[in-house]
Amino acid sequence: DIQMTQSPSSLSASIGDRVTITCRASQTISNYLNWYQQKPGKAPRLLIYSTSNLQSGVPSRFSGSASGTDFTLTISSLQPEDFATYFCQQSASTPQTFGQGTKLEIK
Amino acid sequence: EEQLVESGGGLVQPGGSHRLSCAASGFSFSDCWMSWLRQAPGKGLEWVANIKQDGSEEYYVDSVKGRFIISRDNAKNSLYLQMNSLRVEDTAVYYCARVENKHIPGPRWVSWGQGTLVTVSS
Repeated sequence: DIQMTQSPSSLSASIGDRVTITCRASQTISNYLNWYQQKPGKAPRLLIYSTSNLQSGVPSRFSGSASGTDFTLTISSLQPEDFATYFCQQSASTPQTFGQGTKLEIK
Repeated sequence: EEQLVESGGGLVQPGGSHRLSCAASGFSFSDCWMSWLRQAPGKGLEWVANIKQDGSEEYYVDSVKGRFIISRDNAKNSLYLQMNSLRVEDTAVYYCARVENKHIPGPRWVSWGQGTLVTVSS
């Protein structure tokens, strides 16, 4: 199985900050990397698919990029509604696996 | 608007069986791969099973192979998960989700239900 290592596991930031979350795959996954946002008690929401494609309806302050097997989710200017947990997920092979999550909290 | 609504969660004894349902609306259900995923309390997300549009292919995470069965009824726009030989570690919120893989390659879960909690405990 492909292991997805996400960092940091938690992060404190302020409104307006630029935030970066990283996910490393244990082997090559091409660009088959998705990012989800989850708020407490809610289902996950797809933000970015195939590394860098913004899902319809997602604000443009969210972006994704990659370098080899390292993938990055960037929020350019944090808004109050962005405080949540973020998960990366590889869809290159079955079983499709998730990172352990990054909890983004208000500083 | 796309909607997925799970039902059937509850308390089950270890070793018991349980069936979850997911009612889909707002999209062409029969054209889509569908999935079940789960999230144990306070934990991360885990993919459980996938089923092809016509039900001819199924895939499972190793931990549920031989115990869980994913199925669908396209005439009823419904997805199911039959869970047998349940274990305490199967306790989780179970989500159904629609797979999208069009236009830009790379399967992703674009729509999710609200989830239904299954608790396995004596």
